[in-house]
Amino acid sequence: EAGVTQSPTHLIKTRGQQVTLRCSPISGHTSVYWYQQALGLGLQFLLWYDEGEERNRGNFPPRFSGRQFPNYSSELNVNALELEDSALYLCASILGGTIYNEQFFGPGTRLTVL
Amino acid sequence: GNSVTQMEGPVTLSEEAFLTINCTYTATGYPSLFWYVQYPGEGLQLLLKATKADDKGSNKGFEATYRKETTSFHLEKGSVQVSDSAVYFCALSERGATNKLIFGTGTLLAVQP
Repeated sequence: EAGVTQSPTHLIKTRGQQVTLRCSPISGHTSVYWYQQALGLGLQFLLWYDEGEERNRGNFPPRFSGRQFPNYSSELNVNALELEDSALYLCASILGGTIYNEQFFGPGTRLTVL
Repeated sequence: GNSVTQMEGPVTLSEEAFLTINCTYTATGYPSLFWYVQYPGEGLQLLLKATKADDKGSNKGFEATYRKETTSFHLEKGSVQVSDSAVYFCALSERGATNKLIFGTGTLLAVQP
């Protein structure tokens, strides 16, 4: 069974640009979570999508947004990129309705903002 | 709010040494607890989990016991290998809420031959 996939693997952008990151969850998983792993800041929760709706967001500005499609894949959009947005962005999926809430992570997209 | 405090690294051990990485948490309700591992250049992999007090999670020789009385979930392994070199993250999730994971800062483990 295929795991969580993310694209692209690496990305280099300049300040002020916009970027879109993509995530495909494990087949059958309906919830997608996005996390940011920035140097020195650890892993921070960004966004949670379930059944096509944004359910919760972390302490990030509105220029971080996203959506979830009917096939449960998800996009993370970051507008007006800043240098501190350089990070590894991890997507995780979870089987909706489970009480064990185990999240399965993708390999991540490494974003570098110059 | 909920939080996870994890032992600072890096931890450097010789092969076959005993490993302990301390993790304590603060949470309302009854969280599930996890250890994730991140190998160089890769994403996170679930190493083990425990969903209620006194549960012991185990995998690949690693163990951790959910201790409600001390709010701890320390990771242990009796004999580490060079291939265990990685960053280890302790995390909690409040079951039934957002299910989002709250992570500790991570502990870098370096095992030398």
